[in-house]
Amino acid sequence: QSALTQPASVSGSPGQSITISCTGTSSDVGSYNLVSWYQQHPGKAPKLMIYEGSKRPSGVSNRFSGSKSGNTASLTISGLQAEDEADYYCCSYAGSSTPRVFGTGTKVTVL
Amino acid sequence: EVQLVESGGGLVQPGGSLRLSCAASGFTFSSYWMHWVRQAPGKGLVWVSRINSDGSSTSYADSVKGRFTISRDNAKNTLYLQMNSLRAEDTAVYYCARDPSIAAEDYWGQGTLVTVSS
Repeated sequence: QSALTQPASVSGSPGQSITISCTGTSSDVGSYNLVSWYQQHPGKAPKLMIYEGSKRPSGVSNRFSGSKSGNTASLTISGLQAEDEADYYCCSYAGSSTPRVFGTGTKVTVL
Repeated sequence: EVQLVESGGGLVQPGGSLRLSCAASGFTFSSYWMHWVRQAPGKGLVWVSRINSDGSSTSYADSVKGRFTISRDNAKNTLYLQMNSLRAEDTAVYYCARDPSIAAEDYWGQGTLVTVSS
């Protein structure tokens, strides 16, 4: 199972909106509405930001939203803040024998 | 408070073995599926293995199949990863994570570093 494809980097100014794409195949992203997104600051464990495509765990800001179209999922961060600067990873369910496939990761820079 | 604390990492020679542990607290461990995810230095997250709540079903990434074994002791609230025939490419921080049946992991440990080198 190959990693999902994400852009290496995305940047934006404070207050702007950015979108990170996550491209998979018909065997993972395209087959299930089970994409999750994680935020990881340097030296820290990943933090769940979005699950089941568009749901936010309790405590996660509503500035974070998820969507999917075909084999591509997206994470949008609106009202970009300095604290949003981090690495972001998408992850998709890909069947019972391969329950998780992560994306390549995207570094978000707040200008 | 949910806590996951990994231990057992360290330096091991190629071909060697290591057993990682993940001590869980603050929730009913026996009710949750659990995963191991690793991250090589400066690289991305990679899923390694998953075990169901009673330990009767497991899955592995192709890269570790036949070399790694995931297990759990629900009486001790502990998850394990037995790693054999270690290779340089297994060098990574290994995280344990909880799966609340949402196809995602809501709590992660702080990770334990495994270095495979001669």
